[in-house]
Amino acid sequence: GNSVTQMEGPVTLSEEAFLTINCTYTATGYPSLFWYVQYPGEGLQLLLKATKADDKGSNKGFEATYRKETTSFHLEKGSVQVSDSAVYFCALKGSNNDMRFGAGTRLTVKP
Amino acid sequence: DAGVTQSPTHLIKTRGQQVTLRCSPKSGHDTVSWYQQALGQGPQFIFQYYEEEERQRGNFPDRFSGHQFPNYSSELNVNALLLGDSALYLCASSWDTGDNSPLHFGNGTRLTVT
Repeated sequence: GNSVTQMEGPVTLSEEAFLTINCTYTATGYPSLFWYVQYPGEGLQLLLKATKADDKGSNKGFEATYRKETTSFHLEKGSVQVSDSAVYFCALKGSNNDMRFGAGTRLTVKP
Repeated sequence: DAGVTQSPTHLIKTRGQQVTLRCSPKSGHDTVSWYQQALGQGPQFIFQYYEEEERQRGNFPDRFSGHQFPNYSSELNVNALLLGDSALYLCASSWDTGDNSPLHFGNGTRLTVT
């Protein structure tokens, strides 16, 4: 079945550092890929998405490119801020329409 | 425009009891999905409701059941509670069945089973 494997954390960075969180997936067909973010005490919020190969999703300085050849959707940001501290989830939505999530990566950014 | 709302926010139950969690989807959304998120884990798919029918189901026992009402709101019922059912239960809604339709999540119900 469909699944997502996500780089486990926690990840601790200094402000303005470069961020990469790895995500790979296994799926039949052509899934849509998502990154969600969960701030402390809140529900999950959509960060960005990509619906087909080579699409790049972007939002709030974060980017991820749908790589079908490597079945990956790595999240990147060039310069993180303290306010980016949260848990990040990679997710996949397949043809059967249910969303599968990775285990999450906790990011802490220190000033 | 209200987003996805869930009630209650917190709940404490005893083993063997039954619990009902409630969810109102975002306005205009017709599909509701339920997820269980254990501490430090990603959300696990329980089931999805569309047109008042269970359309998809994850790997959860029959103790977990649900319902969707004509106004698209939904309930999650868990019978014979176990300690391992302690988790954050998330409701998510979406507005169509297309692959590019993201889920909108509520803030969840924190269930503690003692």
